[in-house]
Amino acid sequence: EPEVTQTPSHQVTQMGQEVILRCVPISNHLYFYWYRQILGQKVEFLVSFYNNEISEKSEIFDDQFSVERPDGSNFTLKIRSTKLEDSAMYFCASIGREVEAFFGQGTRLTVV
Amino acid sequence: AQTVTQSQPEMSVQEAETVTLSCTYDTSENNYYLFWYKQPPSRQMILVIRQEAYKQQNATENRFSVNFQKAAKSFSLKISDSQLGDTAMYFCAFMPNFGNEKLTFGTGTRLTIIP
Repeated sequence: EPEVTQTPSHQVTQMGQEVILRCVPISNHLYFYWYRQILGQKVEFLVSFYNNEISEKSEIFDDQFSVERPDGSNFTLKIRSTKLEDSAMYFCASIGREVEAFFGQGTRLTVV
Repeated sequence: AQTVTQSQPEMSVQEAETVTLSCTYDTSENNYYLFWYKQPPSRQMILVIRQEAYKQQNATENRFSVNFQKAAKSFSLKISDSQLGDTAMYFCAFMPNFGNEKLTFGTGTRLTIIP
C-alpha cells in the first residue's frame, strides 16, 4: 500500500538553528500539507501546497517557515531560527483523487 | 470557518464491547468530507474511515462504522467488538471540498480498551 514517508523521525536542534523536515508524498497525489501537533494538543494546520505553490497557510506559518517541492517528489518544510515553542510533532499529508488524506508517521522536533 | 467538536475527552470500554465516539461540526457547505483518524501511542495518524456528505449511506470498514446525520451535523464513530489495539486517540476531521482545502480537526477523544 502506498504511504507518505517522513524523515527524520526525530530531530533535536538548538534554539536559533534551522531545520528541514522532509516528506515523500504518495506519488500520484496532488495536494500536500504540513500539520503540527504540540504534545497533548490539537492537530493544527500549517500550510497546503498545490501545483508547486502555497495555496493556503495559517497564522502559525509566519516568515520563519517555508515549503518547497524541489524535485517533484520530496516536499520539505524549513523552519529558520527555531524557537522553543516550535517543539512539536510535524506531520506531512497528501491527498489524491480518492479524497483520502494520508499522513506520514511524523517528525518529532525538539528544540533545546 | 468550519469547526469540529468532540465532546468526550476520554472514554473507556471493556474489551469486546461496542463504543461510540461522538463528533459534531459546523459548516455552511453542502458537499464535504468527514474523516476519523486513529493516533496510537506511536503518534502516527492512521485513517480509519471516510464519509462523503453527498452519500446518504453510512461508511463502514470492518469493525468501524459511522452514523452520519447531515441535518444534525453529526458524525459518530462506532467501534464494534473492541480490541486492545484500538486503544488510541481518535480525531474527527472535516474537509470542505476536494482539492486545495485543509482538514480541520477536533480536539480528540482518548479511548482506552480495558482487558
